[in-house]
Amino acid sequence: GAVVSQHPSRVICKSGTSVKIECRSLDFQATTMFWYRQFPKQSLMLMATSNEGSKATYEQGVEKDKFLINHASLTLSTLTVTSAHPEDSSFYICSATTSGADTDTQYFGPGTRLTVL
Amino acid sequence: QKEVEQNSGPLSVPEGAIASLNCTYSDRGSQSFFWYRQYSGKSPELIMSIYSNGDKEDGRFTAQLNKASQYVSLLIRDSQPSDSATYLCAGGGSNYKLTFGKGTLLTVNP
Repeated sequence: GAVVSQHPSRVICKSGTSVKIECRSLDFQATTMFWYRQFPKQSLMLMATSNEGSKATYEQGVEKDKFLINHASLTLSTLTVTSAHPEDSSFYICSATTSGADTDTQYFGPGTRLTVL
Repeated sequence: QKEVEQNSGPLSVPEGAIASLNCTYSDRGSQSFFWYRQYSGKSPELIMSIYSNGDKEDGRFTAQLNKASQYVSLLIRDSQPSDSATYLCAGGGSNYKLTFGKGTLLTVNP
C-alpha cells in the first residue's frame, strides 16, 4: 500500500518552455501532498505543501508564479514549472500523506528529473 | 528555526557489521520521527517511523528515540552491500511537514 507515482520520470526541454509534472497516489487518498526539489549531492528542499481543493502553501523563497501547483483531487497534484530555465534543472519529488493513524508519514514518488537546455 | 542534524559521515562498515546512524533535533514539539533511505539518483524510501521513547525493531533495523535528549538513531544489523545509500532522518511538525537532516552516506564494504 501507499504507492505514489510521478509522471514523467525524466524530461528534457528548451529554455522558456513550461513543464507539467503529475503526482498520483495510487491506492490511497492523499489529504496533503508535498513538492520537493533536490540538487545533486544536496538534501531535499521543500517547495510547497498542497491540500486538495485549496491553494498551495509555498516555502520562503519559492516563486509561486513560477511553480504552479494544482491539487484538483485527493489522488492527483500537479506541478508546472513555467518558463523553465537551466537553473531549474533538478530532481523534483512529490510525497503524499494518508489519513488515519499515520497521517504524518510521507510516501514519496519516484521523482522527475528535469533538464532545461 | 527547526533543525535536524545528522552525523555527516560518510560512514563505512564491513559487511555483517552493525551500522549506527545518529540524529538530533531542535524542535521539542516534534512527536514523530522517520528514517528514509535514498539510493543515488532515486527518491527516498521509508524505512521506519517512531513516535514513542524507546526502541522499535523491524527486521534488521532498530530505531531508537530519546525525547529528553532529542536524539534519534537507526541501527542496521548484519549490514549488507545493498544497504549502501544515504539515510535521511526527519522530524514531523505542524501541517504534516517534515524537517529533514542532510543525510548520512553509508557504504557497506563486501
